Amino acid sequence: GNSVTQMEGPVTLSEEAFLTINCTYTATGYPSLFWYVQYPGEGLQLLLKATKADDKGSNKGFEATYRKETTSFHLEKGSVQVSDSAVYFCALRKDRDDKIIFGKGTRLHILP
Amino acid sequence: SAVISQKPSRDICQRGTSLTIQCQVDSQVTMMFWYRQQPGQSLTLIATANQGSEATYESGFVIDKFPISRPNLTFSTLTVSNMSPEDSSIYLCSVEDRDGSNEQFFGPGTRLTVL
Repeated sequence: GNSVTQMEGPVTLSEEAFLTINCTYTATGYPSLFWYVQYPGEGLQLLLKATKADDKGSNKGFEATYRKETTSFHLEKGSVQVSDSAVYFCALRKDRDDKIIFGKGTRLHILP
Repeated sequence: SAVISQKPSRDICQRGTSLTIQCQVDSQVTMMFWYRQQPGQSLTLIATANQGSEATYESGFVIDKFPISRPNLTFSTLTVSNMSPEDSSIYLCSVEDRDGSNEQFFGPGTRLTVL
């Protein structure tokens, strides 16, 4: 079945460091891929998405590229801020008749 | 996008009692989803609620424990019945994007603690 695997946390970085959170997926066809972010005490917010191979999703300085050949959708940011401290979830969805599949989440701590 | 609100935002309940969580959306949506997020875990889908029909429950979740109402296209409730400490979780309501994309939008969640 479909699944999402993302790197385990917590990930701790200093402010202005480069961030990569790895995400790989297993699915047939071309699912849509998402990154959601959950700030402390809040619900999930969609951070970015990509719907086809080689698409790049971007938002708030974060980027992720849909790599069909490596079945990956790694999240990157060139210079993190303390306010980026949150839990990040990679997710996929085949189509509107399927349920969304979430990874286990990666907790990110940014130190000032 | 959709704006989703949930009530209550948090609650502390006694074992054996029940809590009803409300989810209100600012636009009409066909499908609404209820998720559970146990401490430090990812999201698990409880059920899908379509207006005018019975909710569809995922494996491991039953209607007696998690009854759901969906009286109209902008509102749903989830009841957590006969609670135990194992039900302590964040419960999230979610809806699909109306424009046909695969996006889902989430409410702020209800943080439930059962003593």
